Amino acid sequence: NAGVTQTPKFQVLKTGQSMTLQCAQDMNHEYMSWYRQDPGMGLRLIHYSVGAGITDQGEVPNGYNVSRSTTEDFPLRLLSAAPSQTSVYFCASRQDSRDTQYFGPGTRLTVL
Amino acid sequence: AQSVSQHNHHVILSEAASLELGCNYSYGGTVNLFWYVQYPGQHLQLLLKYFSGDPLVKGIKGFEAEFIKSKFSFNLRKPSVQWSDTAEYFCAVNAFKAAGNKLTFGGGTRVLVKP
Repeated sequence: NAGVTQTPKFQVLKTGQSMTLQCAQDMNHEYMSWYRQDPGMGLRLIHYSVGAGITDQGEVPNGYNVSRSTTEDFPLRLLSAAPSQTSVYFCASRQDSRDTQYFGPGTRLTVL
Repeated sequence: AQSVSQHNHHVILSEAASLELGCNYSYGGTVNLFWYVQYPGQHLQLLLKYFSGDPLVKGIKGFEAEFIKSKFSFNLRKPSVQWSDTAEYFCAVNAFKAAGNKLTFGGGTRVLVKP
């Protein structure tokens, strides 16, 4: 199993550009989440999904969109990048609410 | 909305010292509790978790945590730390049903163990 994979690992964007961060898992997990990690602020939940076709907002959803058309994939879209979105983004998955959450390797995004 | 608080942002201690990291959460319903660790340059890994039963939970690498329901706390402990325990530690809470089964993380505690 590859576990949770994320692409790209690094990305630099200009303000106003859009892009999609890819996330895939091969563990057949129902739950998938996107977090951003910023110094001193821990991990903040952006969006999450409890199954294909079901998504919901986390703590900091503004400026981001998600969709979950398959169990395996959970892409995160930045609609119009802003410098405040400079961060490290982690995708994660778990089977259910009691399961260990498995994290991807992260995407380091810089918005100029 | 549920929230998770970790009281110490930075902890510096010497090898063989004891470690205790505080974690409090705000949700009043049924919760699952987790501690994750992030070693330098790596992504998060599970240290231990609590669902029910014995409130004292043992995890990997000699870590343990105690769930005190009346205090909404889930503090992490290790009796004798090693240099390799240098990492950032995150408490996380999954609150059921009304809170949407979201896994919410605290702000993290950076631990530096001096050799």
